[in-house]
Amino acid sequence: NAGVTQTPKFQVLKTGQSMTLQCAQDMNHEYMSWYRQDPGMGLRLIHYSVGAGITDQGEVPNGYNVSRSTTEDFPLRLLSAAPSQTSVYFCASSYRMTGRSSTDTQYFGPGTRLTVL
Amino acid sequence: AQSVTQLGSHVSVSEGALVLLRCNYSSSVPPYLFWYVQYPNQGLQLLLKYTTGATLVKGINGFEAEFKKSETSFHLTKPSAHMSDAAEYFCAVSGISNFGNEKLTFGTGTRLTIIP
Repeated sequence: NAGVTQTPKFQVLKTGQSMTLQCAQDMNHEYMSWYRQDPGMGLRLIHYSVGAGITDQGEVPNGYNVSRSTTEDFPLRLLSAAPSQTSVYFCASSYRMTGRSSTDTQYFGPGTRLTVL
Repeated sequence: AQSVTQLGSHVSVSEGALVLLRCNYSSSVPPYLFWYVQYPNQGLQLLLKYTTGATLVKGINGFEAEFKKSETSFHLTKPSAHMSDAAEYFCAVSGISNFGNEKLTFGTGTRLTIIP
């Protein structure tokens, strides 16, 4: 059981380049999400998904695209990288939480450190 | 809508001293509250969480937190700091997403330094 895995660990891009950050989980979790972490700003939600084929925007979605074709994978695409996207990106997953009768732990991947020049 | 405020971006305590990390929240629904810890170059790990029931919650590594509704607080404490506690700590509150499931909002984090 590998948990949540992310690739690559480090990436340097030039402005305008595109790339995909990969995220996979082997826990059969329905809920997956992407955060970015910047100094002094904590973690901010970019996009999330509640199951295959269902995604929604978080608080900072601009410049990022997601899709969810399988339960296991939730890639994050940068269409045209900008220096403002230099950050550490974390993927997380948890069992689907429905209503307020229960809650669940989010499991985080190790992160991808992205630098855009 | 929900938000979290963590007072103090950096906290230093001596080894063996009390650790107190402050968190205040706002939420339009009864809150679920969390503390996560991040060690250098790692992802986040859940320390403890409050959903319903007992307001004093015990977590891993000797940490605990108390939910105080009247003060809208969820402060994290540990009676005696260890060098291994040096890390960044995040408070988070859950809200309801457009799909009706839980969604976390994080505070800006508190970096804890332990002085030998």
